[in-house]
Parts: sequence; structure tokens; C-alpha cells
Amino acid sequence: GQQVMQIPQYQHVQEGEDFTTYCNSSTTLSNIQWYKQRPGGHPVFLIQLVKSGEVKKQKRLTFQFGEAKKNSSLHITATQTTDVGTYFCAAVQGSNYKLTFGKGTLLTVNP
Amino acid sequence: DTAVSQTPKYLVTQMGNDKSIKCEQNLGHDTMYWYKQDSKKFLKIMFSYNNKELIINETVPNRFSPKSPDKAHLNLHINSLELGDSAVYFCASSQKVVLLDTQYFGPGTRLTVL
Repeated sequence: GQQVMQIPQYQHVQEGEDFTTYCNSSTTLSNIQWYKQRPGGHPVFLIQLVKSGEVKKQKRLTFQFGEAKKNSSLHITATQTTDVGTYFCAAVQGSNYKLTFGKGTLLTVNP
Repeated sequence: DTAVSQTPKYLVTQMGNDKSIKCEQNLGHDTMYWYKQDSKKFLKIMFSYNNKELIINETVPNRFSPKSPDKAHLNLHINSLELGDSAVYFCASSQKVVLLDTQYFGPGTRLTVL
């Protein structure tokens, strides 16, 4: 079945350091979404990328969609303790209604 | 005003029991979902309903039965609970059922089967 591989599984950084999580698929993705889940919370939508090579920014967060639409990344510049949580990518292939989530990257930030 | 609400928030029960989780959304969305998140945080879709009609049914044991009395509600009934059913169950909704629409998640129900 469809798989969206996400790495790394865990990332621990010092406050102020940068952070990046990557999602990869062996097949072309229609589009990709990113969600953040705080500890004990529920996933919250961050952004959706649709176009090949698309780059979107939200303050310190930069989201990219690969030219081949097979990979995506989320980069956080100068992490803060409020960035702590698990970041998930989610994707749909072809005409499938189903959203498949990556396994997530748990980010912890040392103040 | 909670957009997607679930009850109960916590559910602790014995193996073999039957339990239900309720979900309601006040966003006016057409589509609702149930997800299971295991102890490793892996989120997996279980079911999806669009306007009360089942459109996604993953390989979930038939002990799990979703019911959608109207498009604002999607309940999940689980028969003969097993230890492996322990997880956090998230309800979600989206406006449309098209390829990829933003999912709005409920707060989750943490189910513990003893």
C-alpha cells in the first residue's frame, strides 16, 4: 500500500538551533499537508502544498514540495520551546480519498 | 466553542466489554473520519463518512462499527474489546471529500483496555 516515509523519528535540539523533517514517497503525490501535534494534544493543520517545487513560509517555518512531487520538508529556523511536538506529513496519491500520515518526527527543544 | 468534540476523553475498561465513543462537529462539514493513534504515535485512518455514507473502510476488525446518524455526528462502537485496542482515537472532519482537504481533529479519546 501507499507509504509516506518520514525522517527523522526523533530530533532533540538546543533552543535557537534549526530543525528539519523530511517526507518521501516512492510515487508521485497529488499534494501534501503538514500537521503539528503538541504533547497530549491533537493534530493541528499547518499547511498544504500542491504545486511542484512549491515553497511556503509561516514565520520561522518553511515548507517545500519537491519538483517531482515525491518529497517534502518542513524547516524551522531558530527553534523555540513552543515548537515542541510531533510534526506529521500527510499525503494522498492519485484519486484516493484517503489521507496517509507519515510516522511523525518528535521535536524536543532544550531551553 | 469546540469545532470537533469527542466524548469521553478517557475510557478505561476490561477486555471483552463493548464501548462507544461519540463525535460531533459544528463546522458544517460533509465528511467525518475516525483515526487510531497507537503508542508510537502512528496515525492511521479507520473510517470515513461523507454525508452519512461510508466511503473509506480500512482493514479494521469488524468489532469496530461506525455509525453516522447525521452528517454532524460520527460514533464508533467497539465490541469485545481487546488489549490491542488500547490507543487514542481521534475523530476528524473536513469540508469536502475531495482529494485532500484540511482535517480538523477532535481532542481524542484515550482508550485503555485492561
